[in-house]
Amino acid sequence: GENVEQHPSTLSVQEGDSAVIKCTYSDSASNYFPWYKQELGKGPQLIIDIRSNVGEKKDQRIAVTLNKTAKHFSLHITETQPEDSAVYFCAASIILSGYSTLTFGKGTMLLVSP
Amino acid sequence: DAGVTQSPTHLIKTRGQHVTLRCSPISGHKSVSWYQQVLGQGPQFIFQYYEKEERGRGNFPDRFSARQFPNYSSELNVNALLLGDSALYLCASSPDPPRAGNTIYFGEGSWLTVV
Repeated sequence: GENVEQHPSTLSVQEGDSAVIKCTYSDSASNYFPWYKQELGKGPQLIIDIRSNVGEKKDQRIAVTLNKTAKHFSLHITETQPEDSAVYFCAASIILSGYSTLTFGKGTMLLVSP
Repeated sequence: DAGVTQSPTHLIKTRGQHVTLRCSPISGHKSVSWYQQVLGQGPQFIFQYYEKEERGRGNFPDRFSARQFPNYSSELNVNALLLGDSALYLCASSPDPPRAGNTIYFGEGSWLTVV
């Protein structure tokens, strides 16, 4: 099955700095890669996603890049703010025998210090 | 518009007991999935339902079962609870039939503690 590796497990930055989280996936059939932000005690919130026919996507301070050849995708957050502090999960979506499932990485805890 | 709603938000059960968790998808969404998130890990896929039919099942024992109702709401049932079943149970909905590339929206989850 699909396997998603995510690094780093924790990331501490100063307010205003950039943060980069990297993920790799194993199954070349995966073609959709969402990123979720999870705050303490809450469910995952979709923040950005990218499909396999696109190499890069940007939404204000957040951008995602995808390298299908290397099976690698990354989340970039610029001008970080304390409210960006949360756990971020990458995921890969694959269709299996008529259903689709998300395989998640283990998460990155981002701490933004004022 | 209301997002994915789940109930109860928190519950404590004893080993061996049974639990039922409930989920209402976003209005208009016909696909519902269930995920288990153990503390410190990413969510793991349990079930996917579309149009009231089970479309997929993850690597979970038969103690786990689910169903989807005509109004597209769903229940997750877990029998003979074990300590290891303690987790956040997440329901997710999607507007599309099951296919790779569906945008999936999660609820806030039900925290289950087994003692």
